[in-house]
Amino acid sequence: KAGVTQTPRYLIKTRGQQVTLSCSPISGHRSVSWYQQTPGQGLQFLFEYFSETQRNKGNFPGRFSGRQFSNSRSEMNVSTLELGDSALYLCASSSGPGGAYNEQFFGPGTRLTVL
Amino acid sequence: AQSVTQLDSQVPVFEEAPVELRCNYSSSVSVYLFWYVQYPNQGLQLLLKYLSGSTLVESINGFEAEFNKSQTSFHLRKPSVHISDTAEYFCAVSVNPGYSTLTFGKGTMLLVSP
Repeated sequence: KAGVTQTPRYLIKTRGQQVTLSCSPISGHRSVSWYQQTPGQGLQFLFEYFSETQRNKGNFPGRFSGRQFSNSRSEMNVSTLELGDSALYLCASSSGPGGAYNEQFFGPGTRLTVL
Repeated sequence: AQSVTQLDSQVPVFEEAPVELRCNYSSSVSVYLFWYVQYPNQGLQLLLKYLSGSTLVESINGFEAEFNKSQTSFHLRKPSVHISDTAEYFCAVSVNPGYSTLTFGKGTMLLVSP
């Protein structure tokens, strides 16, 4: 089975721009979560989607948004980029909601650099 | 709200030596605990988890962790490390099994040298 795929792997943007990151979960998985990883803050939860519905959202400003499509693929969007948005964005998929009993499989991440 | 503390940002150790990576959590409710490993330029991989039952959990590659409720700890141990164990290790907690939300510690970089 192919793993979680994230595209693009690397991205460079300038302040004020917007960006869209994509995540394709493992085939058959319907739950997708997004995390931001920075050296200062570590790994922080962004959102969780299951069957196209956002089930949970982390403590991030409204500039961060996401969605999930009927094929379970997910996108996250960051508008009006700030320097502090530079991070590795990780996507994780699982067969169902609830990370305790449904193992989450992480993708390699998209490294976003904001100049 | 829950939190996870990994006191050691870096742990250097020689090959074949034992190692312990410390993890303490804070939560007012029951928790589910996880250890993830991240190799360079890769995503996170689940190493082991504690959901319920036996407080000692093991991974297939020789790591083990023990849930200690009284000390609110979930330390990761390996009796003999290999060079290939060099990676960053993250402890994480979930308080609601119905959601995939994980709260992570800041990570501990395990550096194994020959």
